[in-house]
Amino acid sequence: EPEVTQTPSHQVTQMGQEVILRCVPISNHLYFYWYRQILGQKVEFLVSFYNNEISEKSEIFDDQFSVERPDGSNFTLKIRSTKLEDSAMYFCASRLQGAGEQFFGPGTRLTVL
Amino acid sequence: SQELEQSPQSLIVQEGKNLTINCTSSKTLYGLYWYKQKYGEGLIFLMMLQKGGEEKSHEKITAKLDEKKQQSSLHITASQPSHAGIYLCGAENTGNQFYFGTGTSLTVIP
Repeated sequence: EPEVTQTPSHQVTQMGQEVILRCVPISNHLYFYWYRQILGQKVEFLVSFYNNEISEKSEIFDDQFSVERPDGSNFTLKIRSTKLEDSAMYFCASRLQGAGEQFFGPGTRLTVL
Repeated sequence: SQELEQSPQSLIVQEGKNLTINCTSSKTLYGLYWYKQKYGEGLIFLMMLQKGGEEKSHEKITAKLDEKKQQSSLHITASQPSHAGIYLCGAENTGNQFYFGTGTSLTVIP
């Protein structure tokens, strides 16, 4: 069964460093999402992406964040200068249409020291 | 912004017991999703409800959306240890932002 994959599973970085989190959505899906979950808190929407552009973003998704679909398979989230409060689990999701089930990846745990 | 409140926050039940989790929205829902999250893992889709009064079942899990489309419940019949996890309701607004509820942590004691 097709699935969303994410790499790495755990990323440790120093404050101020840039990180790139990678996701491979399901191949025929057209809508892509990033979410984050700070430990003990709820899952928060970051950004949605369709047709090679951001379709919606939350207040969390400030200028430090960017997303890209550099080729036909990868979908990346970049954090330019990480802060301690960026430590969280980051989930990627994709779906075929603009509504309906989103398929989630297993997440990348980001730890900023 | 749209808020989704879940109750209870956590639930501990004996195996075999039935249980219900509620999700209440501050605004009319245009689509309500239920997901399950195992501790430290990704989210697994359970069900999606769109119409007022709609009810769906899968194995021992039944989800309902009320007529006003502001409340949903998730009912598990004869719970098993495999049902343990965090249950999340989710919805999206007209701007294609997706919101999750506060989550309900379920523990099933064998």
